[in-house]
Amino acid sequence: DIQMTQSPSTLSASIGDRVTITCRASQTVSRWLAWYQQKPGTPPKLLIFQASILESGVPSRFSGGGSGTEFTLTITSLQPDDFASYYCQQYNSYPYTFGQGTKVDI
Amino acid sequence: QVHLQQWGAGLLKPSETLSLTCGVQKGPFSGYFWSWIRQPPGKGLEWIGEINYSGTTNYNSSLRSRITMSVDTSRNEFSLSLSSVTAADTAVYYCARASSPFDYWGQGILVTVSS
Repeated sequence: DIQMTQSPSTLSASIGDRVTITCRASQTVSRWLAWYQQKPGTPPKLLIFQASILESGVPSRFSGGGSGTEFTLTITSLQPDDFASYYCQQYNSYPYTFGQGTKVDI
Repeated sequence: QVHLQQWGAGLLKPSETLSLTCGVQKGPFSGYFWSWIRQPPGKGLEWIGEINYSGTTNYNSSLRSRITMSVDTSRNEFSLSLSSVTAADTAVYYCARASSPFDYWGQGILVTVSS
């Protein structure tokens, strides 16, 4: 199985900050990498797929980068609605696997 | 806009079988795989497996021996059975459309395993 490791596990930030979350895969996943946002009591919401393609309706302050084994999710100018948990997920090979999550709080 | 609605029993005893169903509304059913994903309370996400409209399945090997997935194309529904549950299976279970990645999700059901 491909292990996905996110860092940091928790990130404290302020409104307007630029934040970056890193996701590392134990073996290459090419660009088959997605990012999700999850708020308490709700299912994850797809933000980015194929490492850098923004899902329709997702604000442009979110961006993704990377390929192979190292990926980033960047939020420029953090907004109140962005305080949530974020997960990366590889869909290069079965079983699909997720990172352990990064909680962005104030 | 695709909508996934899921239902099933939320409280089980150890050794019982978990059964959940997910209905797909307002969108095509064929042409996609449909997945089950779970999340233990306060923890991360685990992919359980997927099925398509013709019944082709892919399961997580960690759960393969206990999983059965099925599909009802006449109702645009797909189901999950997980046998011999233990407390470790307590989680919120989600259904999702696997267009690689997961773009539409059900609302989630908390399944608690307790004696």
